[in-house]
Amino acid sequence: DIQMTQSPSSVSASVGDRVTITCRASETIETYLNWYQQKPGKAPNLLIYAASTLQTGVPSRFSGSGSGTDFALTINSLQPEDFATYYCQQSYNSPLSFGGGTSVEI
Amino acid sequence: VQLVQSGAEVRTPGSSVRVSCKASGDTFNSFTFTWVRQAPGQGLEWVGRIIPIIDITNYAQRFQGRISITANESASATFLVLSSLKSDDTAVYYCARIDDDSDAFDIWGQGTMVIVSS
Repeated sequence: DIQMTQSPSSVSASVGDRVTITCRASETIETYLNWYQQKPGKAPNLLIYAASTLQTGVPSRFSGSGSGTDFALTINSLQPEDFATYYCQQSYNSPLSFGGGTSVEI
Repeated sequence: VQLVQSGAEVRTPGSSVRVSCKASGDTFNSFTFTWVRQAPGQGLEWVGRIIPIIDITNYAQRFQGRISITANESASATFLVLSSLKSDDTAVYYCARIDDDSDAFDIWGQGTMVIVSS
């Protein structure tokens, strides 16, 4: 099974900051890597798929990079609505799996 | 497309629960559907998925033997049945659609809270 490891588990930031979250797979997953944002009490929301493709409607301050085993989600110029928890997820093979999550806090 | 799930459930340990997820607005059998759960204060955990058009399912190993995911095309719905419930099955259960092109979970249901307590 493929294990997904995110870091950091939490990060404190301010409006306007740039934040980078990393995600490492235990084996290569090519670019089968997706990122989700989740706010308290809500279902997750797809931000980026295939490692770097922005989902329709997602602001361009979000970007993704990486391939193989190492990936990153960057949020440029953090906005108040970006304070949330972010998860990576591999869709390379079954069982599908998520990273442990990164909480972006004020 | 929208996914609408059934309401909250309370069950006793050892019993079973069935959660439904109804899709509207698109061709149901064209997609794969998946289930994800989230225990209180915890992260997301993949549970399993179904490809309705070929009736294939995949489950996370930890649920093998006590899980069933089915689909009903005429009802445009997928169902999760989890049996032999334990207290640590207490969680919000989400259904989601897997987009064919991206393999990502692009549309989510609102979630169903399942509480297992004696």
